[in-house]
Amino acid sequence: KAGVTQTPRYLIKTRGQQVTLSCSPISGHRSVSWYQQTPGQGLQFLFEYFSETQRNKGNFPGRFSGRQFSNSRSEMNVSTLELGDSALYLCASSDDRGGEKLFFGSGTQLSVL
Amino acid sequence: GENVEQHPSTLSVQEGDSAVIKCTYSDSASNYFPWYKQELGKRPQLIIDIRSNVGEKKDQRIAVTLNKTAKHFSLHITETQPEDSAVYFCATRSGGYNKLIFGAGTRLAVHP
Repeated sequence: KAGVTQTPRYLIKTRGQQVTLSCSPISGHRSVSWYQQTPGQGLQFLFEYFSETQRNKGNFPGRFSGRQFSNSRSEMNVSTLELGDSALYLCASSDDRGGEKLFFGSGTQLSVL
Repeated sequence: GENVEQHPSTLSVQEGDSAVIKCTYSDSASNYFPWYKQELGKRPQLIIDIRSNVGEKKDQRIAVTLNKTAKHFSLHITETQPEDSAVYFCATRSGGYNKLIFGAGTRLAVHP
């Protein structure tokens, strides 16, 4: 099986712009979670989607949003980018059959200038 | 709120030695405890996990122990090798579903 795929791998944006990141989960996995990784804050949970519904959300401002499609692919969007949004954004998928194991993608490295 | 403390932040060992990383969590409802290894520039990879109804789990050179009463769990790596060098993250599942709370990470360096 192919692993979790995230695109693009790198992004450079300027303050005030918006960005959309994409994640394709492992085939058959219906749960997709998003995490932000920074040197200062570590790995922080953004939100989780299951069957096109957000079922959990972390403590991030409303500028961070996401969605999931019927094929389980997910996108996250960040509007009005700030310098502090520079981070590695990781997507993880799970088959959600009680196994709980999360498998991560390679991430999208976002730089906000 | 939910919090996971991880120690030490850096760990340097000689090849063949053992390494131990410890984590303490705050949410007594936590029921799942995975460990991830992240090599430089790579994705976090699940190396071992344990559920709250199990006290210890072993997989070859790595093992995890859980003390629910004290709310801490540990990763043990025996016979370390240079390829074990990476950042290791502990995590707990809190609030149900797939929300993981991560520790700050431990940078392990194994010297030949």
